[in-house]
Amino acid sequence: DARVTQTPRHKVTEMGQEVTMRCQPILGHNTVFWYRQTMMQGLELLAYFRNRAPLDDSGMPKDRFSAEMPDATLATLKIQPSEPRDSAVYFCASGLVQGVSTDTQYFGPGTRLTVL
Amino acid sequence: QKEVEQNSGPLSVPEGAIASLNCTYSDRVSQSFFWYRQYSGKSPELIMSIYSNGDKEDGRFTAQLNKASQYVSLLIRDSQPSDSATYLCAFRTHGYQKVTFGTGTKLQVIP
Repeated sequence: DARVTQTPRHKVTEMGQEVTMRCQPILGHNTVFWYRQTMMQGLELLAYFRNRAPLDDSGMPKDRFSAEMPDATLATLKIQPSEPRDSAVYFCASGLVQGVSTDTQYFGPGTRLTVL
Repeated sequence: QKEVEQNSGPLSVPEGAIASLNCTYSDRVSQSFFWYRQYSGKSPELIMSIYSNGDKEDGRFTAQLNKASQYVSLLIRDSQPSDSATYLCAFRTHGYQKVTFGTGTKLQVIP
């Protein structure tokens, strides 16, 4: 049963600390998305990659956030330095683009981040 | 104006009734529309996608799209307590990967 995995599932850290979240997309998928979900803003797209290349990171605060795909099996989202307003659930999703776009995004279980 | 508007609810319906969830969007060039279901503490999962005006049925679920009115809805027939969740409306512009989500409507099905 193929699924997206994310680590860690929960992270509590203090303001100013670096946070790294990891995602393993479904094997064979060529598109990876990073989302942030809060009660107030809902689900927001932070960045997405196709074939490991970043296509859009306009939703990401660039001064503190960075996203990378070192290889096809790993995507990372890093926050440095973290702030209390970064507290949210961060989801990774993957999909297979055949042609122009993919309809189905498969979401991982999320990383619940709390910044004190 | 938000790109996607949904009533946050909660929408309460009795078991066996029809639940009607509504969504409006502002981007006139949007071409693909989706409904995701998210159980509390879980991740979103796609339940319906619709691309052309009219109705699309899948089991107890029917998605309805009216591009002229920029309106998409989801009907759940014979609602079950297991349908209790937050339903997220989303859209995508053709040729782009970015999917824009609404904040969701919480549905409660009362036994």
